[in-house]
Amino acid sequence: GQQVMQIPQYQHVQEGEDFTTYCNSSTTLSNIQWYKQRPGGHPVFLIQLVKSGEVKKQKRLTFQFGEAKKNSSLHITATQTTDVGTYFCAGHNYGQNFVFGPGTRLSVLP
Amino acid sequence: NAGVTQTPKFRVLKTGQSMTLLCAQDMNHEYMYWYRQDPGMGLRLIHYSVGEGTTAKGEVPDGYNVSRLKKQNFLLGLESAAPSQTSVYFCASSYYRGTYEQYFGPGTRLTVT
Repeated sequence: GQQVMQIPQYQHVQEGEDFTTYCNSSTTLSNIQWYKQRPGGHPVFLIQLVKSGEVKKQKRLTFQFGEAKKNSSLHITATQTTDVGTYFCAGHNYGQNFVFGPGTRLSVLP
Repeated sequence: NAGVTQTPKFRVLKTGQSMTLLCAQDMNHEYMYWYRQDPGMGLRLIHYSVGEGTTAKGEVPDGYNVSRLKKQNFLLGLESAAPSQTSVYFCASSYYRGTYEQYFGPGTRLTVT
């Protein structure tokens, strides 16, 4: 079955540094979603990517979907303490359910 | 709108006991899901429903049963709890599958001793 992996598993950064998490699928995806989960909270939808090579930005967050639609990345510029949490990607194939990656846990040191 | 709500928030069970987790959504969503979250393993789909009266198995359905008698409610049952079912359980809903975002409930932390 479809597998979704994320690296790194953990990332510790100093406030102001940049952060990137990578998501890789074992199969070609129709679309991918990203979620953020704050400590003790529940996953919250951030964005969806559908087109090959698509790039979307949300303030300091940049999301990219690979040309082959098998990988994606989330880049945060100049991290802040409010960025702390676990970031999940979720890959979708037509007619199937989303498969979530294991997540990347980000900690930001002030 | 309350969004997606879950009850209870916390529960401790002894091995062999049974319980039901309740999920309710007020967004008129067709699809509802039950996930479990374990450290380092992300969210794994237990069961899901594509509409009132329908249910289907997800990735890890063993030991769980579900029912969706009303569109707004999705129940997850554990008939005979095992320590391996210690986890955080999240319910989610969406309009349809595919290009629609999922809205998650606050979660239920279950410990089985």
